[in-house]
Amino acid sequence: GQQVMQIPQYQHVQEGEDFTTYCNSSTTLSNIQWYKQRPGGHPVFLIQLVKSGEVKKQKRLTFQFGEAKKNSSLHITATQTTDVGTYFCAGWGGNKLVFGAGTILRVKS
Amino acid sequence: DAGVIQSPRHEVTEMGQEVTLRCKPISGHDYLFWYRQTMMRGLELLIYFNNNVPIDDSGMPEDRFSAKMPNASFSTLKIQPSEPRDSAVYFCASSSGRANEQFFGPGTRLTVL
Repeated sequence: GQQVMQIPQYQHVQEGEDFTTYCNSSTTLSNIQWYKQRPGGHPVFLIQLVKSGEVKKQKRLTFQFGEAKKNSSLHITATQTTDVGTYFCAGWGGNKLVFGAGTILRVKS
Repeated sequence: DAGVIQSPRHEVTEMGQEVTLRCKPISGHDYLFWYRQTMMRGLELLIYFNNNVPIDDSGMPEDRFSAKMPNASFSTLKIQPSEPRDSAVYFCASSSGRANEQFFGPGTRLTVL
C-alpha cells in the first residue's frame, strides 16, 4: 500500500541552527500538506504544495515538492524555541491520505 | 466559528465497555476525518466522510470500531467493546474540499483500563 516515510524521526538543535525534515512517498502524490503539532496539542496546517517542483516560503520556513511529486522537504532557517513540536507531512495518492510518522524537533536555547 | 469541537476531551473506561466519541465539524465543511494517534503507530486515518457519506473506512482497525455521520454537523466514533490497545488520542478534522487544509479538533484522550 501507499507509504510516506519521514526522516529524521527526531532532531535536537541549538537555537539558531537550521533544521530540515524530509518526506518520501512510495507513489506519486497529487499534493502534499505539512502540519505542525505542539506538545499536547493538535496538528495545525502549515502549507500545501500541488505543483511539481514547487517551492513556497513562510518567513523562516521553506517547503519544496519534488519534480516527481514523490518527495518533499521542510527547512527551517535559524530555529527558535517557538519552533518546537512535531512536523508531519501528509499526501493524497488517489483516494488515500497518508501521514508521515513525523519529525520531533527540540530546540536548545 | 468555534473550530472543530470534540467531546469528551478525556475518557477513562474499563475493558469491554462501549465508548462513543463525538465531533462537530466547522460549519460549511463537507469533509470529516477521524484519526487515531499513538506513540507506536503515529497518526492514522481511520475513516473519512464526504457530505455525510463514508468514503474510505479502510483504516478502521476492526469491526469493534464504527463511525456515523447522521448530519452535516455531527459525527460519532464508537468502539464496542473497548480494549486496552485502543488507548490513544482520537482526533476529528474537517475541511472544505477533500485535498484542502484540514482543521483538527483538540482530540479525545481515551484510556481503556
